[in-house]
Amino acid sequence: AQSVTQLDSQVPVFEEAPVELRCNYSSSVSVYLFWYVQYPNQGLQLLLKYLSGSTLVESINGFEAEFNKSQTSFHLRKPSVHISDTAEYFCAVSRTGGGNKLTFGTGTQLKVEL
Amino acid sequence: DTAVSQTPKYLVTQMGNDKSIKCEQNLGHDTMYWYKQDSKKFLKIMFSYNNKELIINETVPNRFSPKSPDKAHLNLHINSLELGDSAVYFCASSQRLAGGPDEQFFGPGTRLTVL
Repeated sequence: AQSVTQLDSQVPVFEEAPVELRCNYSSSVSVYLFWYVQYPNQGLQLLLKYLSGSTLVESINGFEAEFNKSQTSFHLRKPSVHISDTAEYFCAVSRTGGGNKLTFGTGTQLKVEL
Repeated sequence: DTAVSQTPKYLVTQMGNDKSIKCEQNLGHDTMYWYKQDSKKFLKIMFSYNNKELIINETVPNRFSPKSPDKAHLNLHINSLELGDSAVYFCASSQRLAGGPDEQFFGPGTRLTVL
């Protein structure tokens, strides 16, 4: 079975500051890794994913995440946040080789302030 | 054009009642899911259907019964509602692809409140 830990339940940050949202996972098999974003009163949207290859993956709106196998981490970063980035961010894993069951972390609330 | 839609958006009901939540996707996907998000925002899969066939059935009380009349619809019926059923229920869909995970597209959610 897989599990995901997001240690920070809330991360307040000022606009234009950098941010890192932490995600660690546990699995006995190879996994795919995902970050989803949930804006207020909306469903989840896929932000970025790691399947294989380059360990650094990027989204279209400036977020990036790096897969670190030795540390079993997939932290999400952005060098300069905007007010519109305020949302709940979920890290998720699914095992490779079959099935689409996503196991989610408990989420991190990113609050960007002026 | 809404990709994954759910009705109703809000549902307030009394304990013991039976209610249904409907989900429709117009993406042509062959796999659909139901997730439950509790008050602490924890999100957990409940069911998944592929081509109308149940493929994931997590440990969910049998008061919850999903029904998939066709590939584009996955409804969730809940009998004898309990206080602990209060949550936001998300429907999602994806297209099965060989060699990798599918991207799941989520609906806007249905906020169920049991009084």
